[in-house]
Amino acid sequence: AQRVTQPEKLLSVFKGAPVELKCNYSYSGSPELFWYVQYSRQRLQLLLRHISRESIKGFTADLNKGETSFHLKKPFAQEEDSAMYYCALEEGGSEKLVFGKGTKLTVNP
Amino acid sequence: GAGVSQSPSNKVTEKGKDVELRCDPISGHTALYWYRQSLGQGLEFLIYFQGNSAPDKSGLPSDRFSAERTGGSVSTLTIQRTQQEDSAVYLCASTPGEAAYEQYFGPGTRLTVT
Repeated sequence: AQRVTQPEKLLSVFKGAPVELKCNYSYSGSPELFWYVQYSRQRLQLLLRHISRESIKGFTADLNKGETSFHLKKPFAQEEDSAMYYCALEEGGSEKLVFGKGTKLTVNP
Repeated sequence: GAGVSQSPSNKVTEKGKDVELRCDPISGHTALYWYRQSLGQGLEFLIYFQGNSAPDKSGLPSDRFSAERTGGSVSTLTIQRTQQEDSAVYLCASTPGEAAYEQYFGPGTRLTVT
């Protein structure tokens, strides 16, 4: 069973529009959740983690345990946000990450 | 400082041949991970090493896949008798400690099996 679901393979928005990349997870314990980003021709890198509750590059993500979701949001998308975004789950004590299949975000001018 | 490096960056091989992919982690990083990245499948976990031992090999897709790590540093992922479905980008990552999220990724090796 898929433990991290990103329902949208592709997401396209216009510059200045709000963007939300969806992520749902399946885990009975206390999850740690993360968003990773891969810009064109660059390495995959950590964008943010839920536990830090910080905003990175204008992005935020709130863990909703009731809905088992960890959606990534930005109020005003920029062209430089165009990238592949992966949601990831660390199951307690597993020392590994389970990634979703990714969402390719395109921000059009 | 130097990041995670992988070699070769690209590899084209014929179906049925064996290939070896190499990962050089950041110096001092104790944990090392291998992933496969393919269109439609996202990032699939293959195996991870803590030091030279592999506590979790659950992601290896078949017994044609194996990996080793020596000296707590370099790791090699070997695919025997390659198949076309093995075509993908193989990513390596390393972490300085036990926090799995602190993964520093390499640039990947793009494997094409013809």
